[in-house]
Amino acid sequence: SQTIHQWPATLVQPVGSPLSLECTVEGTSNPNLYWYRQAAGRGLQLLFYSVGIGQISSEVPQNLSASRPQDRQFILSSKKLLLSDSGFYLCAGQGSYGYTFGSGTRLTVV
Amino acid sequence: AQKITQTQPGMFVQEKEAVTLDCTYDTSDPSYGLFWYKQPSSGEMIFLIYQGSYDQQNATEGRYSLNFQKARKSANLVISASQLGDSAMYFCAMREVGGNTPLVFGKGTRLSVIA
Repeated sequence: SQTIHQWPATLVQPVGSPLSLECTVEGTSNPNLYWYRQAAGRGLQLLFYSVGIGQISSEVPQNLSASRPQDRQFILSSKKLLLSDSGFYLCAGQGSYGYTFGSGTRLTVV
Repeated sequence: AQKITQTQPGMFVQEKEAVTLDCTYDTSDPSYGLFWYKQPSSGEMIFLIYQGSYDQQNATEGRYSLNFQKARKSANLVISASQLGDSAMYFCAMREVGGNTPLVFGKGTRLSVIA
């Protein structure tokens, strides 16, 4: 079965600092991978998804970017964080049956 | 484009009673899948139940059942015999099977179970 590893669990970063969140997948090869963001008390907003190495689709134009350097690695980055980047970031993988989510990263930009 | 609507921001239910959480969807793809997830305060997303657009019967998983009305494009979640541990956010989601389309979520419903 598929397992999504995501870290760190919590992160406090100053405005203007860079960001790198990593997501790794275990148990499947070449899965579709997704980055979602959830503002406090809100729904999940799809940020990026990837169907393979080097293939990234962006859903929301913003100062975030994503990369997939390896089959089982999906990275969310920013060069300069904004206050509005605060939220709960979830990585998800599409397996043979359904979707699996990581445990999330709670990012607070101060 | 696919769209999910959850019109109930919050719901209250008495312990041991049943509750229905509403979800309507819109898609032009005849082949799609519908999902319900539970998100407790810890933030993890817990898969509850899945319904395929061509499934003949409504999906059931323990105390969870999905009331699938294809003509009305609705996929309501029914939780029977509510427990205090059911208090959480509940999200309806959909994926169109054609192409590599992503899983799209509704805004969620916060369910509070009262003792």
